[in-house]
Amino acid sequence: NAGVTQTPKFQVLKTGQSMTLQCAQDMNHEYMSWYRQDPGMGLRLIHYSVGAGITDQGEVPNGYNVSRSTTEDFPLRLLSAAPSQTSVYFCASSPTDNQPQHFGDGTRLSIL
Amino acid sequence: EDQVTQSPEALRLQEGESSSLNCSYTVSGLRGLFWYRQDPGKGPEFLFTLYSAGEEKEKERLKATLTKKESFLHITAPKPEDSATYLCAVHPRGNFNKFYFGSGTKLNVKP
Repeated sequence: NAGVTQTPKFQVLKTGQSMTLQCAQDMNHEYMSWYRQDPGMGLRLIHYSVGAGITDQGEVPNGYNVSRSTTEDFPLRLLSAAPSQTSVYFCASSPTDNQPQHFGDGTRLSIL
Repeated sequence: EDQVTQSPEALRLQEGESSSLNCSYTVSGLRGLFWYRQDPGKGPEFLFTLYSAGEEKEKERLKATLTKKESFLHITAPKPEDSATYLCAVHPRGNFNKFYFGSGTKLNVKP
């Protein structure tokens, strides 16, 4: 089982560029989420989805967009990259919202 | 405001030296509290879920407990392979579908 797969693993962008972080899960989970992890601040929820076609904002949504057209995929879009978005991004999924989440291995993103 | 605080930030133990990690939380009702282990360069890996005060879960050298204000992760006779960062997360009632993570405790077990 692949679990949760994130691509790319590393990325360097220039300020103002846009990009999409990919996340796919093969466990047929309804709940998916995106977090960013910064030193000393723990994981912070960016956006989440409770099923295909349904998304909502988390704690730190500004500068990011999401969509969920299928159960398997939940891409995260950076609209216009800023240095403050330098972070490690994790995607996670779970069968429902109050069950343990399965995490991918992250995308390490640097904005110059 | 929902908040999760973990202590200590870092903990160094000798192999076999037991200790406890703390996760204190202030939320408007608790749906669940989750413990995860995170190794360098990897995503968090699930350990335990606790749903109500008084509940306990055990797995090998780890035991998680829950009260109305905090959770403890007890590590008995740790081994070097237990070295990792341990994260706790809370799922509050009323804050539908949102999880709040603590900043973690980095555990280093020396042989």
